[in-house]
Amino acid sequence: EEQMVESGGGLVQPGGSLRLSCAASGFSFSGYWIHWVRQAPGKGLVWVSRINGDGSPHFVDSVRGRFTISRDDAKNMVHLQMSSLRDEDTAVYYCARDRKYGLEVWGQGTTVTVSS
Amino acid sequence: QSALTQPPSVSGSPGQSVTISCTGTSSDIGNYNRVSWYQQPPGTAPKLMIYEVSSRPSGVPDRFSGSKSGNTASLTISGLQAEDEADYFCVSYTSSDTYVFGTGTKVTVL
Repeated sequence: EEQMVESGGGLVQPGGSLRLSCAASGFSFSGYWIHWVRQAPGKGLVWVSRINGDGSPHFVDSVRGRFTISRDDAKNMVHLQMSSLRDEDTAVYYCARDRKYGLEVWGQGTTVTVSS
Repeated sequence: QSALTQPPSVSGSPGQSVTISCTGTSSDIGNYNRVSWYQQPPGTAPKLMIYEVSSRPSGVPDRFSGSKSGNTASLTISGLQAEDEADYFCVSYTSSDTYVFGTGTKVTVL
């Protein structure tokens, strides 16, 4: 079964940092684009970041310069390093695998709460 | 990048058809056939329903169909069923090599 599993969420103070991880299984990971999408409580989905198969990163304007994304194809994992966190970064963060510009396989999400 | 515009809600009786619009700009929907649609029941992860404007992944019923005209994409659910009640989101690739989601539409089956 093709699967994505997020981890690393938690409670962090404003200005703090957190590293999210996304573990993929059940498919040949190398080459796939992997996305991070977030959903604030009671709100809609927001695209956050993408890493291409060659490792090139892309970000939404609101996190560029604060978040970085990386991948480890040997371990079938993608990491989202989040710094200078703000209240508005509070959300469930999903990772998802891209296929033909559709986010085809999603994880169940990990919750990030930014609060003092 | 502003969110794509969707109606907040649509509703229909079982068996009817409903259509959800998704309006963007020439920098996203209007310039690329890279629009996808997602279904999200409460408390669950999103599920891909349509990709590349009108293609259905394996396992998605053919009651779900997608189309595009100019800067607006649409998702139509034909033969509405109770299990279709959920939030629906559109997504488009953009000229900035990023993606943008729609504002979301709640589908209610009366």
